[in-house]
Amino acid sequence: DTAVSQTPKYLVTQMGNDKSIKCEQNLGHDTMYWYKQDSKKFLKIMFSYNNKELIINETVPNRFSPKSPDKAHLNLHINSLELGDSAVYFCASRQGLAGTYEQYFGPGTRLTVT
Amino acid sequence: QQQVKQSPQSLIVQKGGISIINCAYENTAFDYFPWYQQFPGKGPALLIAIRPDVSEKKEGRFTISFNKSAKQFSLHIMDSQPGDSATYFCAATPYGNKLVFGAGTILRVKS
Repeated sequence: DTAVSQTPKYLVTQMGNDKSIKCEQNLGHDTMYWYKQDSKKFLKIMFSYNNKELIINETVPNRFSPKSPDKAHLNLHINSLELGDSAVYFCASRQGLAGTYEQYFGPGTRLTVT
Repeated sequence: QQQVKQSPQSLIVQKGGISIINCAYENTAFDYFPWYQQFPGKGPALLIAIRPDVSEKKEGRFTISFNKSAKQFSLHIMDSQPGDSATYFCAATPYGNKLVFGAGTILRVKS
């Protein structure tokens, strides 16, 4: 009964490849996020979706394309992977834009680009 | 531009002692200040949070102190235990949407 889940947990790939990370939440939330945690553990927001609509895009390279097929899912597709994309990617969710501010994070996907 | 500054980077505390982590922010639009705890290989977990209309919030051994005029807030962990050893992040958000995180504090509690 995991609240926010991500797949895969680990992803190792070569430069230039395209890969996707999936996120699902069963909390009934309608706002979801992608955060990136770099090698120094710094956490930074990348994207936010509310009811399948993109509401935050934090100057992320357009090689990164989020997609929200429904309120419970938010996927992240990355094209032409670069060494600098190696990081841990966290999905998070929150109950609506007008509700509580609490964000709940998934377990993370560790992406390693070689 | 680092909007939330966190200190110290690392902290070693004896079991039973008090751990104190400090954060300062710049953006006066911030209206929610959570603390997250992260264990190795896990996602950040919400620990405790405060709104700027109160100066202190306590939940068990964890207390947030908030100073609106100084734009500072801190996490106090009373009776620190080895199981509290983790990385702690302060954060802030304007209107509840994107979280802006501090750089994190690695806490080690020695038994």
